[in-house]
Formats: sequence, C-alpha cells, structure tokens
Amino acid sequence: ILNVEQSPQSLHVQEGDSTNFTCSFPSSNFYALHWYRWETAKSPEALFVMTLNGDEKKKGRISATLNTKEGYSYLYIKGSQPEDSATYLCAPNAGNMLTFGGGTRLMVKP
Amino acid sequence: ETGVTQTPRHLVMGMTNKKSLKCEQHLGHNAMYWYKQSAKKPLELMFVYNFKEQTENNSVPSRFSPECPNSSHLFLHLHTLQPEDSALYLCASSQDLGTGRFNYGYTFGSGTRLTVV
Repeated sequence: ILNVEQSPQSLHVQEGDSTNFTCSFPSSNFYALHWYRWETAKSPEALFVMTLNGDEKKKGRISATLNTKEGYSYLYIKGSQPEDSATYLCAPNAGNMLTFGGGTRLMVKP
Repeated sequence: ETGVTQTPRHLVMGMTNKKSLKCEQHLGHNAMYWYKQSAKKPLELMFVYNFKEQTENNSVPSRFSPECPNSSHLFLHLHTLQPEDSALYLCASSQDLGTGRFNYGYTFGSGTRLTVV
C-alpha cells in the first residue's frame, strides 16, 4: 500500500481567489496519477489522468501538473467559484490498483 | 448518475441485524471495489473483485461479507456490526485490474451512509 499525502487537508478561499494543493506519492513503480473531485452527497468524479513526467492537463479553470521523478502533483484552480467547493482526491497507480490520498477539502466563500 | 448505482442511500441498523448493500453497474466493467470512508479518514479499500473472483481482502473483519454473483453486481452483507462500523460505503468499478501500465480510472457510486446503533 502506497503512502499518499495530500496537503493541505482543508482550505477556505474567497470567490475569485486562485488556489493550489499538493499530492505527494512514492516515485518508484509509478504508472499513472488520477485526480478526482468529490462533492458532498455525490460520487467522486474523475478529473484527470496523467502518466508522463511533466504532464500538464487542463479542464476549464482547473489544471494539474505531474512530477514523477520527485513524486508530486499539483492541482490549480484559477478564479475559484462556490461550485468548486468539494474534496479533491489524488490516487497514484503503482501496480494494478489506485491508492487514494486523504483529500483536500476546498470551501469557496461567495 | 455515473453508471454505478448503490442502494440503499442510507441505512440504520442495530448491532444484531443482518443487512446487505447492493452495487450495480452496466458499464461493461469487470473489476468492482468496496471502499469505506470513516469521518476524517482517507478512503479505505475493503474488497476487490476482478471477473467475479475476489482478488483483495484488506484484512476486513468477517462481519463484512462480500458477494459478486456476476461482473455487474456486487453485494456487501453485514451482520453483527459495531457502532464504529458506521461510515460511508462506496462502490466503484473499472475496466478491469490490468497489469503494469494501466490507467483505468474508477467510476464510483454515490455511496451508502450506514449508521449502526
């Protein structure tokens, strides 16, 4: 079982702020990193899958980068909106299953 | 709807009850998973099935008993649970487990919120 750490655990920002958070994972035996967005009372929803060192993915105001050599990924949200409030989970795959981090809970105040 | 349906959404049961959680997917996926999320803890993997065969039991107490009659359905049978088993139970599915370089994501259900009284 991998040691996957996400920081911060929670984050409060004002509407319009840009923010970012971190996922750290062991760099050995890395195959892919997944990011999920999980709104309260809903199911986790896939955001990105990244496999290559230096990968950068973007979906609207949300983007992510990947550094497989040092074992981290950043998720950025530009101009946060209240609807961005959710828990963001990262999950590296180092074999044949995903291991989830504890998540970063983002709350965006109007 | 994500394609993975869990029932019931909420369940309250006594410690002597027997109940079952159900998960269903018609995405053509061959791997299915049970996860537990307790308050302020990460998602905790419980069981994995691949092509109906159990491939992972993450040291789960025997009061939780999984069943996978076919690739589309997964059950979690519960009996003589404890109050500390109260949690959100999430089901997920993926194409299959794969080996090595796979990047199959998981599709999750909305979960069953279980309260043991």
